[in-house]
Amino acid sequence: GESVGLHLPTLSVQEGDNSIINCAYSNSASDYFIWYKQESGKGPQFIIDIRSNMDKRQGQRVTVLLNKTVKHLSLQIAATQPGDSAVYFCAGWNSGNTPLVFGKGTRLSVIA
Amino acid sequence: NAGVTQTPKFRILKIGQSMTLQCTQDMNHNYMYWYRQDPGMGLKLIYYSVGAGITDKGEVPNGYNVSRSTTEDFPLRLELAAPSQTSVYFCASSHQETQYFGPGTRLLVL
Repeated sequence: GESVGLHLPTLSVQEGDNSIINCAYSNSASDYFIWYKQESGKGPQFIIDIRSNMDKRQGQRVTVLLNKTVKHLSLQIAATQPGDSAVYFCAGWNSGNTPLVFGKGTRLSVIA
Repeated sequence: NAGVTQTPKFRILKIGQSMTLQCTQDMNHNYMYWYRQDPGMGLKLIYYSVGAGITDKGEVPNGYNVSRSTTEDFPLRLELAAPSQTSVYFCASSHQETQYFGPGTRLLVL
């Protein structure tokens, strides 16, 4: 079955630096991916998504990169701010089949 | 729109008690989901529904039941609470893949 995992459980970055959070998936049939942000005591919140026919998608201060060859995606946050401190989850979807499968998450801490 | 609402926010149960976690969405989404999140872990899918009257098991369905009699509501039932069910429960809904999550219900089984 699908498994989605994160390379590192925690990441600390200096305010203003760029952050990169990585994620690997196992099912090559996954064709849609989402990054979620979860702040303490709250439910996950959608950040950005990407379909498997793309290798890069940009949002406001965030970029998601997808490498289907090695089944890896990453979330890049530019000019990281204290408000970016949270746990970040990647999730994968097999269209028409099982719903999203979530990884364990990476806790991002921003040092002021 | 209120989005996805969950009640209660927090509940303590004794072993063997039963309870229903409520979830309601006002976005007219067909898809609804129940997840549990254990401390320091990711989300695990318990049950999901692709529309009123249709439910399917997720990754960890044992000990839970669901029903979907309306588009808006997707309650999760625990019949015989066990300590292993201590967790935070999130309900979500979606039109397609992008899910919108509720604020969660924290459940403690003692």
